Amino acid sequence: DTEVTQTPKHLVMGMTNKKSLKCEQHMGHRAMYWYKQKAKKPPELMFVYSYEKLSINESVPSRFSPECPNSSLLNLHLHALQPEDSALYLCASSPGTGADTQYFGPGTRLTVL
Amino acid sequence: SQQGEEDPQALSIQEGENATMNCSYKTSINNLQWYRQNSGRGLVHLILIRSNEREKHSGRLRVTLDTSKKSSSLLITASRAADTASYFCASTDSWGKLQFGAGTQVVVTP
Repeated sequence: DTEVTQTPKHLVMGMTNKKSLKCEQHMGHRAMYWYKQKAKKPPELMFVYSYEKLSINESVPSRFSPECPNSSLLNLHLHALQPEDSALYLCASSPGTGADTQYFGPGTRLTVL
Repeated sequence: SQQGEEDPQALSIQEGENATMNCSYKTSINNLQWYRQNSGRGLVHLILIRSNEREKHSGRLRVTLDTSKKSSSLLITASRAADTASYFCASTDSWGKLQFGAGTQVVVTP
């Protein structure tokens, strides 16, 4: 299995909702990432997990809460989001956290009403 | 934060023509990578060039890297309609953090 999967593909939520984005890879990669991408902009790094531990948090607001239950899964818990948080959320994985190629999932298109 | 610039921002060519896009970055890098993204989907890795390499080829792709100028270029030869996409360069630091350029939107018309 050489792909990163993300669910759901689309998500619409209200500002008071709690939802979660899921990401899964079975390539044995030990680093996983969350990115946020606004329309016509490049992806921006949010979080990096290395060996299931959070290693980088790019000053992301606490309404985004990442979780890595095991080496294959990465979640992003969402609570009390704002309309400006609407974006494409991309998950990626790489063999390690060195200068490795990152493999991206198809993304979750999030709309916050 | 965005690492560098890409130009042009948009490029429109006909099938069979070559497409060239450039990327500049700001800090020291371990390597530089190019990714393709089709209309708001995930990014697909195209090619990686290490900081001690100057040129690399993969199929119809040719990448150059000039570390003295902190710049890279991606050439797609004999373009096809299926090459229509946004192309991003991404520099990698020693922590493995990818810093993406602004991207070049390429449209290839039949």
